[in-house]
Amino acid sequence: SQQGEEDPQALSIQEGENATMNCSYKTSINNLQWYRQNSGRGLVHLILIRSNEREKHSGRLRVTLDTSKKSSSLLITASRAADTASYFCATDRTTGNQFYFGTGTSLTVIP
Amino acid sequence: DTGVSQDPRHKITKRGQNVTFRCDPISEHNRLYWYRQTLGQGPEFLTYFQNEAQLEKSRLLSDRFSAERPKGSFSTLEIQRTEQGDSAMYLCASSSGVAATQYFGPGTRLLVL
Repeated sequence: SQQGEEDPQALSIQEGENATMNCSYKTSINNLQWYRQNSGRGLVHLILIRSNEREKHSGRLRVTLDTSKKSSSLLITASRAADTASYFCATDRTTGNQFYFGTGTSLTVIP
Repeated sequence: DTGVSQDPRHKITKRGQNVTFRCDPISEHNRLYWYRQTLGQGPEFLTYFQNEAQLEKSRLLSDRFSAERPKGSFSTLEIQRTEQGDSAMYLCASSSGVAATQYFGPGTRLLVL
């Protein structure tokens, strides 16, 4: 079963708008990573945030982590049509050697 | 650094046949992971290696699935007696250590007829 759950499952916005997607997980983690996947392609790593960090930025991306709520959010600012993809969060649990991806958010940016 | 590569990119096989996929990780990475992804779902963790040691294999889907990394470099994932339900994308990733970023290959898309 999947560890994480992304919300919403699908998101459609106009180019230039901001997109926010959320990830919730169930157990204690070492870190949380966000990935992008274009249709039928491999995953591209976006950001890794460690459990002792609360916020990270990379270009137009901002990730927050709230370990008390077991949740993370990914904000994409000034979206572009090229941002159209599925976005997944992945957690590295503190117990065991297993890694879990969520079910993903499908983002469509309309030009 | 040429990234993670996987071979083949596509495989069509008949039910009951065995298939083997290869993954070449980023050269300095000691950790290698295998995932399966079905349509509309996130990747599902199968197993991982640290160097040549397989440290987690409890999530391999059945005893028809096995993986090796004999010299701590490339890895193979074998599926014996394939079933139609094995049709999926098989992804490989590598990382440089504990709690490090995983870099993914392009995947092998398997279709079992």
